[in-house]
Amino acid sequence: DIQLTQSPSFLSASVGDRVTLACRASQGISNYLAWYQQKPGEAPKLLIYSASTLQIGVPSRFSGSGSGTEFTLTISSLQPEDFATYYCQQFKISPLTFGGGTKVEIK
Amino acid sequence: QVQLVESGGGVVQPGGSLRLSCAASGFTFSSYGIHWVRQAPGKGLEWVAFIRYDGSEEYYADSVKGRFTISRDNSKNMVYLQMNSLRPDDTSVCYCARDGGWALPAYYMDVWGKGTTVTVSS
Repeated sequence: DIQLTQSPSFLSASVGDRVTLACRASQGISNYLAWYQQKPGEAPKLLIYSASTLQIGVPSRFSGSGSGTEFTLTISSLQPEDFATYYCQQFKISPLTFGGGTKVEIK
Repeated sequence: QVQLVESGGGVVQPGGSLRLSCAASGFTFSSYGIHWVRQAPGKGLEWVAFIRYDGSEEYYADSVKGRFTISRDNSKNMVYLQMNSLRPDDTSVCYCARDGGWALPAYYMDVWGKGTTVTVSS
């Protein structure tokens, strides 16, 4: 199975900060990576797929990059509604796997 | 609007069974694959199963293979997850989610339901 390691596990940041979240795959997955946002008590929400394609309706302050084994999700200017847990997911090889998540909290 | 609504969760004893349902609306259901994804309390997301738009293929996580069965009824816009031989570590919130690909699977999830809670305990 492909393991996805997200870092950091926890991030404390302020409104307006630029934040970068990382996701590392245990083997190359080309660009078969998605990012999700999950708020407490809610279902996950798709933000980005194919490593860098923004899902319709997602604010442009979110962006994704990377290929192979190294990926990043960047929030250019953190907003109050962005405090949440973020997960990456690979869809190159079955079984589909998720990273352990990065929790973004208010400093 | 595009919507998925899960039902059927509850409390069951170890070794028992549950059948989860996922009702879809607001899109051409018969053109999309559907996933089940679960989340144990305080933990991350775990993909469980996938069924193609026409029901022709199913895929499962190793942790549920042989115990869980995914199925669909395109005439009713419904997907089901039959869960047998349940164990305490199956305790989770179970989400159904639409596959991001139209007809051809993309294997990421673009629409999610709110989830239904499964508790396995004696």
